[in-house]
Amino acid sequence: NAGVTQTPKFQVLKTGQSMTLQCAQDMNHEYMSWYRQDPGMGLRLIHYSVGAGITDQGEVPNGYNVSRSTTEDFPLRLLSAAPSQTSVYFCASSYGQGLHDEQFFGPGTRLTVL
Amino acid sequence: AQSVSQHNHHVILSEAASLELGCNYSYGGTVNLFWYVQYPGQHLQLLLKYFSGDPLVKGIKGFEAEFIKSKFSFNLRKPSVQWSDTAEYFCAVARLNTGFQKLVFGTGTRLLVSP
Repeated sequence: NAGVTQTPKFQVLKTGQSMTLQCAQDMNHEYMSWYRQDPGMGLRLIHYSVGAGITDQGEVPNGYNVSRSTTEDFPLRLLSAAPSQTSVYFCASSYGQGLHDEQFFGPGTRLTVL
Repeated sequence: AQSVSQHNHHVILSEAASLELGCNYSYGGTVNLFWYVQYPGQHLQLLLKYFSGDPLVKGIKGFEAEFIKSKFSFNLRKPSVQWSDTAEYFCAVARLNTGFQKLVFGTGTRLLVSP
């Protein structure tokens, strides 16, 4: 299994540009989520999905959209990038939603918005 | 506000020194507790986790953590660190909320081990 994969690894955008961060997992996990990591702030939950067709907001959803058309993929869209969205983005997945289910993280996408 | 606190933001140790990183959380009720490690340039990896039972949990690479419920703490320890332990360490708490396990992370502790 490849686990959780993310593309691209690095991206530079100009303010106002749009892009999609890709996330895929091959573990047949129902639950997927996106986090952003900023210095001194740990990881914060942006959006999550409990299954295909179902998404919900996390702690910091503004400026981001998600969709979940398949179990495997959970893309994160920035419709109009802002410098405040400069961050490292991690996708994670877990088999179940219970407290006992470990979340597995992807390698991250480092995004810079100029 | 409910939160996860890691008191040490930066720790510098020499090889063979002992390590203890503090983690406190403010949630009531049932929680699961995790320590993740992020080596330079890599993604987060699970070091250890506590779900229930023995409050002393052993993880990979010689790490262990102790859950003290009365203190809402889950401190990470290692008796003798190595240069390869240089990394950032994150404590995380999972609570069930509207049917989804939401991980809340601490701000992280950067550990530098000098050879």
